[in-house]
Amino acid sequence: DIQMTQSPSTLSASVGDRVTIICRASQSISSWLAWYQQKPGKAPKVLIYKASTLESGVPSRFSGSGSGTEFTLTISSLQPDDFATYYCQHYNSYPYTFGQGTKLEIK
Amino acid sequence: EAQLVESGGGLVQPGGSLRLSCAASGFTFSSHAMRWVRQAPGKGLEWVSIISVSGDKTYYADSVKGRFIIFRDNSKSTVYLQMNSLRAEDTAVYYCVKDVGWFDPWGQGTLVTVSS
Repeated sequence: DIQMTQSPSTLSASVGDRVTIICRASQSISSWLAWYQQKPGKAPKVLIYKASTLESGVPSRFSGSGSGTEFTLTISSLQPDDFATYYCQHYNSYPYTFGQGTKLEIK
Repeated sequence: EAQLVESGGGLVQPGGSLRLSCAASGFTFSSHAMRWVRQAPGKGLEWVSIISVSGDKTYYADSVKGRFIIFRDNSKSTVYLQMNSLRAEDTAVYYCVKDVGWFDPWGQGTLVTVSS
């Protein structure tokens, strides 16, 4: 199975900051990568798919980039609603695995 | 709007069984692979099982292989997860998801607690 590794595991930031989360795949996954946001007690919600395509309704401050084995999720200006846990997930080949998550905390 | 609603979770003793259901609406259920994903308390997301459009292909995580069975009824737009020989480590919120490569939508989740 392809392993997905996110960094950092925890990120402390302030409202208005620009933050970047990295996701690395153990082998090339082309652009077959999605990003999710999960808030406590809620199901995850897709933010981005195909590495850089923004899901309908997701604010434009979220962006994704990368291909091959290294990917980034960037939030251009943090808002209070953005403090949550973020997961990457590849869909290059079954069984489609997740990264371990990055918890974005208020500094 | 596509929607998934899980049910069937609860408290079960180690070694017991439980069947989860996931009712789909708002999309052509019979055209999509479906998946169960779980999340143990305070932990990350783990795929559990996948079922193909027609139900003839199924896949399981090593952690549940031989104990869990996924199946679907396209006439009822419902996917199921039969969980047998449950262990404490199976305690988690179980989510049903539509598999389009990425997972969207997700159900609200159903909590399974395995404890004596």
